[in-house]
Amino acid sequence: EAGVVQSPRYKIIEKKQPVAFWCNPISGHNTLYWYRQNLGQGPELLIRYENEEAVDDSQLPKDRFSAERLKGVDSTLKIQPAELGDSAVYLCASSFGPTNTGELFFGEGSRLTVL
Amino acid sequence: AQTVTQSQPEMSVQEAETVTLSCTYDTSENNYYLFWYKQPPSRQMILVIRQEAYKQQNATENRFSVNFQKAAKSFSLKFSDSQLGDTAMYFCAFFSQGGSEKLVFGKGTKLTVNP
Repeated sequence: EAGVVQSPRYKIIEKKQPVAFWCNPISGHNTLYWYRQNLGQGPELLIRYENEEAVDDSQLPKDRFSAERLKGVDSTLKIQPAELGDSAVYLCASSFGPTNTGELFFGEGSRLTVL
Repeated sequence: AQTVTQSQPEMSVQEAETVTLSCTYDTSENNYYLFWYKQPPSRQMILVIRQEAYKQQNATENRFSVNFQKAAKSFSLKFSDSQLGDTAMYFCAFFSQGGSEKLVFGKGTKLTVNP
């Protein structure tokens, strides 16, 4: 069974440039999460989807971040424009919603460096 | 809001030694789940062990076990016969179905197992 797939693995951009990250969750997992992990820190939730609905986006900086999950499967996280402080690893995770007990399956992450 | 605290930023041990990682949490919830996740260098985060708060018995998984003290809100991870492959960041995490249904992480403990 394929795991959570993320791309790109690494991205280097200059500040004020846009960037997008893509995530394909495990088949059948209807809950999808985007987390941000700063260097040496634990992941922090940005947004959670139940199918195509964003049910928790309270920590998403909406002035520059946006996300979508069309058709309730793949998801894209966008930053525009990027700032130096956005340098981090962006983790996507998924779980099987109806029996969600917090066991999340993570992708390898997308490491963003903003210069 | 739930908080998770890991008081050991770093730890170094020799191969074959026993490791104990500490974690405390704060919550007003009664039903929740606690986790230890492992994040090897440049690799995806994986679940090590899970504890349901309603269970008094401590969870075990092969070499790994937890010491769950619900009244003290303490949740430590212990594993014996440490191996080079155990070198990783270890995150304690909290999840409540009745709350925000998001996994809340501690800041992690960087464990290095030396030959």
